Amino acid sequence: GAVVSQHPSRVICKSGTSVKIECRSLDFQATTMFWYRQFPKQSLMLMATSNEGSKATYEQGVEKDKFLINHASLTLSTLTVTSAHPEDSSFYICSARGSGRQGATEAFFGQGTRLTVV
Amino acid sequence: DAKTTQPPSMDCAEGRAANLPCNHSTISGNEYVYWYRQIHSQGPQYIIHGLKNNETNEMASLIITEDRKSSTLILPHATLRDTAVYYCIVRVTDSWGKLQFGAGTQVVVTP
Repeated sequence: GAVVSQHPSRVICKSGTSVKIECRSLDFQATTMFWYRQFPKQSLMLMATSNEGSKATYEQGVEKDKFLINHASLTLSTLTVTSAHPEDSSFYICSARGSGRQGATEAFFGQGTRLTVV
Repeated sequence: DAKTTQPPSMDCAEGRAANLPCNHSTISGNEYVYWYRQIHSQGPQYIIHGLKNNETNEMASLIITEDRKSSTLILPHATLRDTAVYYCIVRVTDSWGKLQFGAGTQVVVTP
């Protein structure tokens, strides 16, 4: 399957600082990428849909000014957590749409980024 | 979008087949059933998907009932590395691959 790479895999930052997470599609072009957040013992929650060359679409309840998404190329999307607070500590996961059989698409996921805000 | 219902957990003996059920009684005719799994502290991994026919690949088999209201993921010979949370997802109707995850089934494979 297609490969999606996230960087960094782990990051610890101080409260009030900003953190950038990168998501790259390594062997295919991804016009659309998705960002998820997962708190301990919970399922993945979709945060936003990132479209190459246009503004991201955020899910209800997700602050777009706090979670900045940039999708400047067909292989890279970034999520910046601005003015991070301890409650932003979570597992952030990106996915990119791959290609499947006609009428279906598969989403391939990065390995996730564990963010800890202290 | 159709919602899914899965048992919260199940145990399986190593080497045996694991049969994971999923109910999706409100599925629409053009919605696919997808299965992903998530090993602890990793991103989800695609397993298989189908519309109405049974499907098989190198990882698993997917059996969808004729009325499409339920499906079963079969891991033919479970190994310890198959311990993970398994998610049954009905794909949203846009074609962009956006997925809504439920609680999934925690599968523990024991020796």
